[in-house]
Amino acid sequence: KAGVTQTPRYLIKTRGQQVTLSCSPISGHRSVSWYQQTPGQGLQFLFEYFSETQRNKGNFPGRFSGRQFSNSRSEMNVSTLELGDSALYLCASRQEEGSYEQYFGPGTRLTVT
Amino acid sequence: DAKTTQPPSMDCAEGRAANLPCNHSTISGNEYVYWYRQIHSQGPQYIIHGLKNNETNEMASLIITEDRKSSTLILPHATLRDTAVYYCIVRAYSGNTPLVFGKGTRLSVIA
Repeated sequence: KAGVTQTPRYLIKTRGQQVTLSCSPISGHRSVSWYQQTPGQGLQFLFEYFSETQRNKGNFPGRFSGRQFSNSRSEMNVSTLELGDSALYLCASRQEEGSYEQYFGPGTRLTVT
Repeated sequence: DAKTTQPPSMDCAEGRAANLPCNHSTISGNEYVYWYRQIHSQGPQYIIHGLKNNETNEMASLIITEDRKSSTLILPHATLRDTAVYYCIVRAYSGNTPLVFGKGTRLSVIA
């Protein structure tokens, strides 16, 4: 099976712009989660989607949003970018049933200038 | 907040067993212990999980104490490619609570 894929891998944006990141889960996985990783805060949970519905959200401002499509692919959007949004954004997928074995993608490295 | 305590860093000689400890003294009866690792600049990788019995897979072994308040991840023959940050996470088996990553242990395997 192909792993979790994320596009783009690297991105440079300017403050105030918005950005959309994409994630394709492992085939058959219906749950997609997003995490932000920074040197200062570590890995932090953003949100989780299942069957096109957000069912869990971390403690991030409303500028961070996401969605999931019927084929389980997911996108996350960050509006009005700030310098502090520079981070590695990781997507993870898992099967709905059973244990929390999440499989992570390689991440998108976002730099805000 | 993470419910686990791990040493910030450890060294291990290549070819030797790496034993990574984790303290989870407040673990509940329905909570499992999960281990993930993150090699530099890559996404975290699932390693193993367990409830109360020792577990082994092709990557590692997980030893959980009888009182379940601590555990040890064992990499039997560490290689340079095992250099990574290792995260120990406690979480209920099912439900929608997300994984909460702490700071983990930075394992350096030395030739």
